[in-house]
Amino acid sequence: GESVGLHLPTLSVQEGDNSIINCAYSNSASDYFIWYKQESGKGPQFIIDIRSNMDKRQGQRVTVLLNKTVKHLSLQIAATQPGDSAVYFCADNDAGGTSYGKLTFGQGTILTVHP
Amino acid sequence: GAVVSQHPSRVICKSGTSVKIECRSLDFQATTMFWYRQFPKQSLMLMATSNEGSKATYEQGVEKDKFLINHASLTLSTLTVTSAHPEDSSFYICSAETKLDTQYFGPGTRLTVL
Repeated sequence: GESVGLHLPTLSVQEGDNSIINCAYSNSASDYFIWYKQESGKGPQFIIDIRSNMDKRQGQRVTVLLNKTVKHLSLQIAATQPGDSAVYFCADNDAGGTSYGKLTFGQGTILTVHP
Repeated sequence: GAVVSQHPSRVICKSGTSVKIECRSLDFQATTMFWYRQFPKQSLMLMATSNEGSKATYEQGVEKDKFLINHASLTLSTLTVTSAHPEDSSFYICSAETKLDTQYFGPGTRLTVL
């Protein structure tokens, strides 16, 4: 069956370091991937997305890398700040271009940034 | 842009009563909205897909008669938890899908059933 999972459930970094959060997916038909950040008691916040026709996409302080060969997705956060502390979820949407797209979420990685 | 709101943010009710949660897309129209449930320290679990003007599509194991979904307009979907019981206590989150397939989430509703 389709699943999206994470290698590391927790990640602790020092303020200013770069963070890398990893995600593995199993559905080779997945063509759209999203990273969300969720702070305690709040809904997931969109960070960045990438489609399967790309292998890298950059945002502000964040970069998503997609390796379709090994079905691996990563989120890189540059100069991590205490405000980045949250749970990070990857999700995949294999809508295949249609408007109906269910998201399958990974288990989440808890990122803790120490000042 | 792409702001989604939920109301209420927190609700406490007695066992056996019904609770309605609203999800609104504030600055865009959403043909499709989704309802999720999240238990503490766990990932989001999709409950149902809400399509404007048609019946919702429920995930396996989700009781459609217990979790009533109405998507009356392109900016509003409601989830009604009928005859709520303590095991229904959870964090309920909605999302709305833009034309580019990106889902934006609401802030969530914390339901506590006594």
